[in-house]
Amino acid sequence: NAGVMQNPRHLVRRRGQEARLRCSPMKGHSHVYWYRQLPEEGLKFMVYLQKENIIDESGMPKERFSAEFPKEGPSILRIQQVVRGDSAAYFCASSPPFSGSHGYTFGSGTRLTVV
Amino acid sequence: QQQVKQSPQSLIVQKGGISIINCAYENTAFDYFPWYQQFPGKGPALLIAIRPDVSEKKEGRFTISFNKSAKQFSLHIMDSQPGDSATYFCAASIGANAGKSTFGDGTTLTVKP
Repeated sequence: NAGVMQNPRHLVRRRGQEARLRCSPMKGHSHVYWYRQLPEEGLKFMVYLQKENIIDESGMPKERFSAEFPKEGPSILRIQQVVRGDSAAYFCASSPPFSGSHGYTFGSGTRLTVV
Repeated sequence: QQQVKQSPQSLIVQKGGISIINCAYENTAFDYFPWYQQFPGKGPALLIAIRPDVSEKKEGRFTISFNKSAKQFSLHIMDSQPGDSATYFCAASIGANAGKSTFGDGTTLTVKP
């Protein structure tokens, strides 16, 4: 009965490398959301996905960032050519299909450090 | 711009006291207002939430007060305990798509024994 699983928990990348963050939603949850949390700040919405579909990517930076949620496997947040400003905690949340409820659950996050 | 402003940034309360955190929003289309509790190294966890058709919701020691006309809502923690020490975030969303939420910047609460 695992919750939202994110890995890795910590990721260190050098400037210019690629970062791949993975998120496995809770069982029965088909909606995935990615948020970014900078130090001393709240969470900022990045993208909302369903299986094989990007529903809302209004919070994604226009360049270097992409997200997917394939039919099989976890959701992936990909950051190409990372820069120091990408250092942050990245949280994934999942929720069940729309039923009028608002229940969703966050994972423990991936802390990305760009050196 | 959809913003949620949260205050204070940090709060120190004695054990047994009342902790009060305030939030204000701008977008009148918001219709769901949750509070999250976050411990170091963990993700946010939903604590309590309210819709604008009620002015108050209570769950145990936690109460949300909602003032629709002022576009403000607050979290009250009664009988605060050291275990309540955490960062608290208010948030707001539109409609059933609660996944896309706008968060306040957080309040770090310290409850002294």
